[in-house]
Amino acid sequence: RKEVEQDPGPFNVPEGATVAFNCTYSNSASQSFFWYRQDCRKEPKLLMSVYSSGNEDGRFTAQLNRASQYISLLIRDSKLSDSATYLCVAGWTDKLIFGTGTRLQVFP
Amino acid sequence: GAVVSQHPSRVICKSGTSVKIECRSLDFQATTMFWYRQFPKQSLMLMATSNEGSKATYEQGVEKDKFLINHASLTLSTLTVTSAHPEDSSFYICSASREEGSSYNEQFFGPGTRLTVL
Repeated sequence: RKEVEQDPGPFNVPEGATVAFNCTYSNSASQSFFWYRQDCRKEPKLLMSVYSSGNEDGRFTAQLNRASQYISLLIRDSKLSDSATYLCVAGWTDKLIFGTGTRLQVFP
Repeated sequence: GAVVSQHPSRVICKSGTSVKIECRSLDFQATTMFWYRQFPKQSLMLMATSNEGSKATYEQGVEKDKFLINHASLTLSTLTVTSAHPEDSSFYICSASREEGSSYNEQFFGPGTRLTVL
């Protein structure tokens, strides 16, 4: 079983749509959680940290459920520029464990 | 701020040769640097963690004699793939953190090095 599991997608959505990604992690000792964005053949870039209380950054909302070991990312009002692969990440000690990513394609 | 560079960005080499990849933190001191590998359509896999001035800590399954890591200064870490083979072809990405010891510390990623071994 992978340590961080995500639906690989792709999710094909029209501009303006709301899309949600889910992720589960297996290590209950995980301490920190993040969503990263990775464009094709580029390095990952931090999108946002994820907290138990839930947090929002503009059109992006992240939620963490420690009991279920579940993380989510909601993107509202999708833009063409949101097309990318979204990586769910769980951290413990000083390590980051990456999921394989969920591919999002936003079309006009 | 917090810029990490990698060199080279792309390398093609013959089987059996060694390849060195440099990772530099340009505007901050990186106490800890991480090396990842990403195969097509797969996740980033942590290969090793290195702290300045000490030996790298390798993840299970990563051969330390094949992937030599040196973190000689607070701004430079190098990864040498020795006797590279086609199965070593991958996207190698480094990251750097200002502090050590916690995954809460943000990691700043380099742009990656695409290695192709013929």
